[in-house]
Amino acid sequence: GNSVTQMEGPVTLSEEAFLTINCTYTATGYPSLFWYVQYPGEGLQLLLKATKADDKGSNKGFEATYRKETTSFHLEKGSVQVSDSAVYFCALRGGSYIPTFGRGTSLIVHP
Amino acid sequence: DAGITQSPRHKVTETGTPVTLRCHQTENHRYMYWYRQDPGHGLRLIHYSYGVKDTDKGEVSDGYSVSRSKTEDFLLTLESATSSQTSVYFCAISENTSGDTQYFGPGTRLTVL
Repeated sequence: GNSVTQMEGPVTLSEEAFLTINCTYTATGYPSLFWYVQYPGEGLQLLLKATKADDKGSNKGFEATYRKETTSFHLEKGSVQVSDSAVYFCALRGGSYIPTFGRGTSLIVHP
Repeated sequence: DAGITQSPRHKVTETGTPVTLRCHQTENHRYMYWYRQDPGHGLRLIHYSYGVKDTDKGEVSDGYSVSRSKTEDFLLTLESATSSQTSVYFCAISENTSGDTQYFGPGTRLTVL
């Protein structure tokens, strides 16, 4: 079956540092890949997505590239801000009704 | 923002009582989902619906039932609440299956004493 593995947190960074959160997946076929973000006390919201190999999703300075050869979709940001502190979820969705989520990675950014 | 509301937003109840959580959407999306979120477990799917009166079980469905009599409403019932069901519950919707974004509600924090 499908699975998503993402690095465990928390990831703790200083403001303006470079961020990478690793995500790898196992899936049959050609799934779409997603990053969701959850701010404290809120539900998840879409951060970015990519629907086919070599696509790059981007939003709010975050980027991730769909790498089929390495089955990865790592999230990156060049300069994090305190306001980026949140939990980040990697997810995939193939042809079924049920998406598959990673366990989430908590990011803490200090001033 | 997608129009999804959950009610109640917070609830405290006692072991053995029935509890119903409501998810309401204004997007006319076909697919609806109930998840629970617990520390160390991420999101776990309880039940989902792929149309009116069409529902199926997720990975943690024991002790929960659902109903969907209208496109816009998806109800989650804890038939006899237990302390292990203390959690934050999220509803989500999506228009299609393959490749489609899920939109999440704000969550319901349930405490079972």
